[in-house]
Amino acid sequence: GQNIDQPTEMTATEGAIVQINCTYQTSGFNGLFWYQQHAGEAPTFLSYNVLDGLEEKGRFSSFLSRSKGYSYLLLKELQMKDSASYLCAVRGQSHTGRRALTFGSGTRLQVQP
Amino acid sequence: DTGVSQDPRHKITKRGQNVTFRCDPISEHNRLYWYRQTLGQGPEFLTYFQNEAQLEKSRLLSDRFSAERPKGSFSTLEIQRTEQGDSAMYLCASSLVGRESTGSSTDTQYFGPGTRLTVL
Repeated sequence: GQNIDQPTEMTATEGAIVQINCTYQTSGFNGLFWYQQHAGEAPTFLSYNVLDGLEEKGRFSSFLSRSKGYSYLLLKELQMKDSASYLCAVRGQSHTGRRALTFGSGTRLQVQP
Repeated sequence: DTGVSQDPRHKITKRGQNVTFRCDPISEHNRLYWYRQTLGQGPEFLTYFQNEAQLEKSRLLSDRFSAERPKGSFSTLEIQRTEQGDSAMYLCASSLVGRESTGSSTDTQYFGPGTRLTVL
């Protein structure tokens, strides 16, 4: 099975940097995804990591360490519109047939002025 | 650019009634997924299709739930004899994987706006 842990809530200040951590335990691994979800809306894709290291995409970066079962999402130059839930999701290995994502419960980020 | 669409966006029904939801994936996406999300939780996988074939079903998908994708394009999710515990947001996602894929592709899933079901 798969188990994903991430903090329930975080608060940060506009213009600052925030790091949202995610740890996972999985019987197989074929990629880790981060999604952003505003209240009442669908999740939107932010980033994908399958190899160790940092992936940077504008104000958002995501890091993966497969040996540690650990990832983080880094948000720079925070804006009020970044207030949302951030979902960490893991995909199992394809030879098991499991293509669906297993999501964590999400981290609700509140950006304050 | 047309994303994933779902219909209806909201559905209120009485316990015991049947409901059906529709999902139209991004054009040419060959994989289609159904998830369920309750308040404060991440989406939970229900089932997925590659083209018209249903390849995997979660243990969450009881006998009251059935999904189809008859022509490999849109999909429907039906819940029979609804229960109050079925109240949730039902999300559909689609992705594109090449025929030669060995499973190493990104296979990024793009989500629709969801159908919010309330069972009274």
